[in-house]
Amino acid sequence: DVKVTQSSRYLVKRTGEKVFLECVQDMDHENMFWYRQDPGLGLRLIYFSYDVKMKEKGDIPEGYSVSREKKERFSLILESASTNQTSMYLCASRPHGAKYGYTFGSGTRLTVV
Amino acid sequence: GNSVTQMEGPVTLSEEAFLTINCTYTATGYPSLFWYVQYPGEGLQLLLKATKADDKGSNKGFEATYRKETTSFHLEKGSVQVSDSAVYFCALTSFEGGGNKLTFGTGTQLKVEL
Repeated sequence: DVKVTQSSRYLVKRTGEKVFLECVQDMDHENMFWYRQDPGLGLRLIYFSYDVKMKEKGDIPEGYSVSREKKERFSLILESASTNQTSMYLCASRPHGAKYGYTFGSGTRLTVV
Repeated sequence: GNSVTQMEGPVTLSEEAFLTINCTYTATGYPSLFWYVQYPGEGLQLLLKATKADDKGSNKGFEATYRKETTSFHLEKGSVQVSDSAVYFCALTSFEGGGNKLTFGTGTQLKVEL
């Protein structure tokens, strides 16, 4: 069964810390995505990548960066965590082609205190 | 650009009731359409999809038909169970609209009571 694995289900970090959220997929998908999900705001795209070392800003990239050094791994970095980045973070991947949907990871619930 | 509109929730039903969650879309070209389900504390799971007009996607008793003439992809189930309580997201992707990304609706929460 194909999988997208997020390294942590729950994470608590302090304000100002640098935070790394890791996502690994085993499906050889070209495209990978990071979303955050907040009550009443739906899914908001932070960054995505369509190839190794390539990245594109989504709708809310401020305060975040990403890294994709290998095809299977896409990391989200919070440069200096703030309380307004407390959220559920969802990673997803998909192959090229409009007929394919996303495969999502289980999510990381990040709390910044 | 692409957009997806879902009915507002929460939708509250009794067990064994009929379910419809409306979804309409705006898209360039010929989009593929998807329904995702999210159970509490989990990521989203693909429920069903349809890739061309008049296709019907189905899974776990849920169905949705791709209606190009009404730009709709309504989710239906004949008899819901308590275990169907979740948030349901309609989504689309198309080459013309930037095929790398999915466009999601805001989600509709379903609550099923005994």
